This record gives sequence, C-alpha cells and structure tokens, in this order.
Amino acid sequence: DAGITQSPRHKVTETGTPVTLRCHQTENHRYMYWYRQDPGHGLRLIHYSYGVKDTDKGEVSDGYSVSRSKTEDFLLTLESATSSQTSVYFCAIAGSYQETQYFGPGTRLLVL
Amino acid sequence: TQLLEQSPQFLSIQEGENLTVYCNSSSVFSSLQWYRQEPGEGPVLLVTVVTGGEVKKLKRLTFQFGDARKDSSLHITAAQPGDTGLYLCAGANYGQNFVFGPGTRLSVLP
Repeated sequence: DAGITQSPRHKVTETGTPVTLRCHQTENHRYMYWYRQDPGHGLRLIHYSYGVKDTDKGEVSDGYSVSRSKTEDFLLTLESATSSQTSVYFCAIAGSYQETQYFGPGTRLLVL
Repeated sequence: TQLLEQSPQFLSIQEGENLTVYCNSSSVFSSLQWYRQEPGEGPVLLVTVVTGGEVKKLKRLTFQFGDARKDSSLHITAAQPGDTGLYLCAGANYGQNFVFGPGTRLSVLP
C-alpha cells in the first residue's frame, strides 16, 4: 500500500471556524490532490499540487485553500467552515506521469 | 470536458454469479484505473490499464481496456460477499487531472 496518511480521521466543528486537514506521504510523489466525496456527486477535485509551492484549483475550490511547503505534506484549509462542507475528504498522490492515483484513508468532517 | 459513465449504478447478485460492469466515455484516455472502495475507507487501486485492447486478470477479476481507449469493463467470476463495495473507474491523461466515474455499487449476497 502507498504510504499516505490523513489527519485527523474524524472531526466535528462549528460553522464559521477554520479547519485544516493534513495529508502526509512517504512515497516522494510529485502530485498530490484533495477530493471530497458526497452521495450523488462522487469524487470531486478541490485542489491539487504539482510540486512544492505549486498548486491549482479543481472544480469545487470555493471556500478552500491549500499549501504545500514540503514534498510530503499537503494541507487543506477550510477558511470558515460551512455546513455544505460536511463531507468525506480524501487525499491522493500520483507520480510524475500521473498514470495512477493512490488514496489515503479519508477524513470525515462534520460541520454543525 | 471529459466525462466517464459507469453502468449499472447498482447491482445486487447472489454469491457465485458472474457480473460485468462498464465504464464508458467519448474521450480517449492514456490510462484507466479501477478502484474498489469499502464503507469508511479510501478507494483502493485494483488495476491500471494503459494499452488499447489490454486485458488484465486479478484472481477472479478481469479488466479490459477498449481498443480505442475510451471504455473499459470489469468482469467478476463467481462473485463472493468480499467483492461487495463501490467500484470506481478513473481516466487519466498526462498533464491533465484524473476523471472519475460515479461508481457501481455492488452487493453480493451470501
């Protein structure tokens, strides 16, 4: 299994608070991704990174920001959490040729 | 915009039956992946296919990539309850982000 961890695995927070989710990889892969998965919507890309300090938006990036200061870490921040951001968040990694993605175990976030 | 469709959306079968699920697109992909996801877990990679017409086997699972690299199928022989899960296909092209299908939810009843 690819070495990808996510923390926390579960979080409950209140509307309006900032939340940061962490993805850590030990594979030295170039690409890292954040997805959210919701019933009826499947996996939707939030942001991705193609190198240290190189990031770009995905299809559902509003309300989210990311940072990647080291190859192994990719942080997702909900600037001011809303109930619509209640979801399961997955981090994924891919090598330079982007042929295959490997997923982390997910973070289940509940915004009250 | 590249899209992937999967069919059927839901499938409930008895243990021992065979089944095929499909992943279709009007776009060409350089590679295609199949994942299985169980409740509360992340998608787990089953296979990557990269050559048009390629067939890969993983125990009772057979994966085929269409000749034109626009579609793929997953065939399970003698399904078991442990095969239960959400099966996702994803297409990739170098320099572009992955495209995911909505998934096929399989339930294998003992």
